[in-house]
This record gives sequence, C-alpha cells and structure tokens, in this order.
Amino acid sequence: DTEVTQTPKHLVMGMTNKKSLKCEQHMGHRAMYWYKQKAKKPPELMFVYSYEKLSINESVPSRFSPECPNSSLLNLHLHALQPEDSALYLCASSLERGPTEAFFGQGTRLTVV
Amino acid sequence: AQSVTQLGSHVSVSEGALVLLRCNYSSSVPPYLFWYVQYPNQGLQLLLKYTSAATLVKGINGFEAEFKKSETSFHLTKPSAHMSDAAEYFCAVSSNQAGTALIFGKGTTLSVSS
Repeated sequence: DTEVTQTPKHLVMGMTNKKSLKCEQHMGHRAMYWYKQKAKKPPELMFVYSYEKLSINESVPSRFSPECPNSSLLNLHLHALQPEDSALYLCASSLERGPTEAFFGQGTRLTVV
Repeated sequence: AQSVTQLGSHVSVSEGALVLLRCNYSSSVPPYLFWYVQYPNQGLQLLLKYTSAATLVKGINGFEAEFKKSETSFHLTKPSAHMSDAAEYFCAVSSNQAGTALIFGKGTTLSVSS
C-alpha cells in the first residue's frame, strides 16, 4: 500500500465554521507533512511532523491547527478562515525527514466563502 | 538554504519530440533532488529522484534526469513526448539534515500538441 488518503476531497466552509482535514497512511512512514497549493503555484510547506511531534511550523497562522494523533494519521483543524485561504491542501508522508521521497495524497480542495 | 529554479514556466512540444525541462539547484550541502508531476486537480506523483548514487537517474514513464554538480543542474528529459505527458512538473530539493522537507521550484507547464 503506497497510498496517502485525504478526506474530504472537496470542502466548502464559511468564515465562522470549524472543519478538519484528514490524512492517513499505512506505509510505516514517520514523517508527515501539510502543504498548501494555490492555483498555478508550487506547494508551500506548512507543517512537518516527525515521529508524531511537530518539528516544523512555517509561520502558519493560528487559524490552522495541525494534529498527529498517531503515526498513521494527520489532521488539520480549520477555524475562522479567510477567503484567501482557499487552496488545494496536500498531505504527504515519507519514511523519515531528509533524502527519501515524499508520497502525496490527492489533496483537499478547500473553498472559503 | 536550499532552493531550486526551474527555467521556463511553460514548455510546448510536439508529440514525438524531445522533452527538456530545466532545473538548477542551490545548496550548501549535498542535495537530494526530485522531479514530481501533477495532473489537474490531483496530487503530486514522483517521477524520479537523485540521492547521491548514479548521476543519471531513470524514472517512470520514460523520463530521466542527469545530476551535474559542475552546472548545479538536474534537467528532466524524455526522448519522445506523448500527449499524456501534458501536466505540471515540479523540481524539488531536500537534504539529509534534520529539519528539512521538500522545497519546490515554481513549476513548468508542459503542453504537447499533435
């Protein structure tokens, strides 16, 4: 199983809503990532978890709150988002940080209205 | 700090023609380099990777790339383009140092015409 599964695939939320994005992998990877991708742009790193601990936060606003309940799951909790937060949110995992390749999920297309 | 620069935001080729997508890197430590492809509304798929073994790396779908330290380049090539190769291509870099993750170039859109 070389899949990273993200749910939901599409999400529309209001600026006062609270929602969560979910990501799951069963490859035994110990590093998991959240990336944000705007249209026609490359993915931008948001968070990195290594061995279930947050190791990198790329100065992401607090309205985005990551959580890693266990080594297979990664969540991104969303609260009080702005329309400019609309984007494709990609989850990825890798065996460990560093030179090994990252496997990406299909992404969640988020629209904030 | 590490970075990659992809030269040319858009490349157009005819079906059957050579594909050449350019990537130059900047790194103060030995880099690990990757090419990913992204089809519309999908995630990223790894095409190939360089992790300090052979400098000529073969990937999926007939793509290959050559690591040239003297030129700080890692260009992606394919001898004969197919219509299904039309997509967005990203070059990425990381290192084996703690605290690093993939850093992507701006991407190159490949168009293939019949």
